Amino acid sequence: ETGVTQTPRHLVMGMTNKKSLKCEQHLGHNAMYWYKQSAKKPLELMFVYNFKEQTENNSVPSRFSPECPNSSHLFLHLHTLQPEDSALYLCASSQGIDRGSGNTIYFGEGSWLTVV
Amino acid sequence: AQSVSQHNHHVILSEAASLELGCNYSYGGTVNLFWYVQYPGQHLQLLLKYFSGDPLVKGIKGFEAEFIKSKFSFNLRKPSVQWSDTAEYFCAVDTGRRALTFGSGTRLQVQP
Repeated sequence: ETGVTQTPRHLVMGMTNKKSLKCEQHLGHNAMYWYKQSAKKPLELMFVYNFKEQTENNSVPSRFSPECPNSSHLFLHLHTLQPEDSALYLCASSQGIDRGSGNTIYFGEGSWLTVV
Repeated sequence: AQSVSQHNHHVILSEAASLELGCNYSYGGTVNLFWYVQYPGQHLQLLLKYFSGDPLVKGIKGFEAEFIKSKFSFNLRKPSVQWSDTAEYFCAVDTGRRALTFGSGTRLQVQP
């Protein structure tokens, strides 16, 4: 149990489908993140939200659309994805985004996405 | 731009061997440094972290890491590995300018 819960754990979708990944954190944190983990590549930061406001978008294609309705929930809406988008998508949270407070990021178990 | 390099992509050791995994970062300012571990089929977990103070940081399961500012390095060490240490290890840096940046990871395989 990590305190960060992601659903679904596995998702297979066609290139024309619309699906969503969901993340919920039970740690009382204010910041939430989406990372992409592909084989043999560094973890790629996608989006950062702090107090529900997006603070970073790491040049992510518009076919990925995040939504943060409150500090405990984060969604990643997926539309017209490509096969190369197949990866493990990790949600994470931290107390804040201020390095001075020595924030530690806590990760969920990830959602394995396969685009066919 | 900040970046993290982990030069060892795959390391194979026998049980009881000593471990050192390299991590270098590129950023000239103050940083927080982390090592995360991902055991097979499990989520990323924090192994240890450096914020300030003693540059030799001790973490869980007998791991330690040393921050050498002049070398921009934060190498992970363990004197005697166990089969249960088989996992992927990720170094990460937080400069305060953007969210945590990770290295590409090192896959450690410990043979019994």
